[in-house]
Amino acid sequence: AQSVAQPEDQVNVAEGNPLTVKCTYSVSGNPYLFWYVQYPNRGLQFLLKYITGDNLVKGSYGFEAEFNKSQTSFHLKKPSALVSDSALYFCAVWRSNDYKLSFGAGTTVTVRA
Amino acid sequence: DVKVTQSSRYLVKRTGEKVFLECVQDMDHENMFWYRQDPGLGLRLIYFSYDVKMKEKGDIPEGYSVSREKKERFSLILESASTNQTSMYLCASSPGQGNTDTQYFGPGTRLTVL
Repeated sequence: AQSVAQPEDQVNVAEGNPLTVKCTYSVSGNPYLFWYVQYPNRGLQFLLKYITGDNLVKGSYGFEAEFNKSQTSFHLKKPSALVSDSALYFCAVWRSNDYKLSFGAGTTVTVRA
Repeated sequence: DVKVTQSSRYLVKRTGEKVFLECVQDMDHENMFWYRQDPGLGLRLIYFSYDVKMKEKGDIPEGYSVSREKKERFSLILESASTNQTSMYLCASSPGQGNTDTQYFGPGTRLTVL
């Protein structure tokens, strides 16, 4: 099955420290990968996507993600986390067999002051 | 900015009731989607539509139907609500330019079925 996995339910970091949210994928063919964020009581917001090209993708709010084909990973990163980054993060992959987006289970990020 | 609106933020219904969830987008997008979000399961696609009056089943269509009479409006219908349909429902739209489309989401409707 074409899918993504987010191995961590929760990530806790101190403000100012680096933040990493992990995602691994399983697809046939070239992967199209996305990160979305959901702030409390809000809908999902698009952060960034990888289609092709440079393995380091830059997105909104200072986030970036690194595509690693050999490790089938697409980890989301931020060099210096803010308390306002506390939210639920979803990784997603486009399924080439049926043209649908498949989401991971989500990772709750808590940034403490 | 793309705006996707959903008719209700919170909804409480009784088992067996027919429930309508409405979604409207204002960017002339071709594609519209309905997902449900449950803790630990992420988002699961219920139905989507790539054109007016066109619809396709997603991963979990059982117990749901949809209607798209106008391009900007996509309705999700629970024919006979059941307690296992208590969930957060998210509507999304995308331009329809291909499989690299970004999907834009509404704020969600939290439905409780008693």
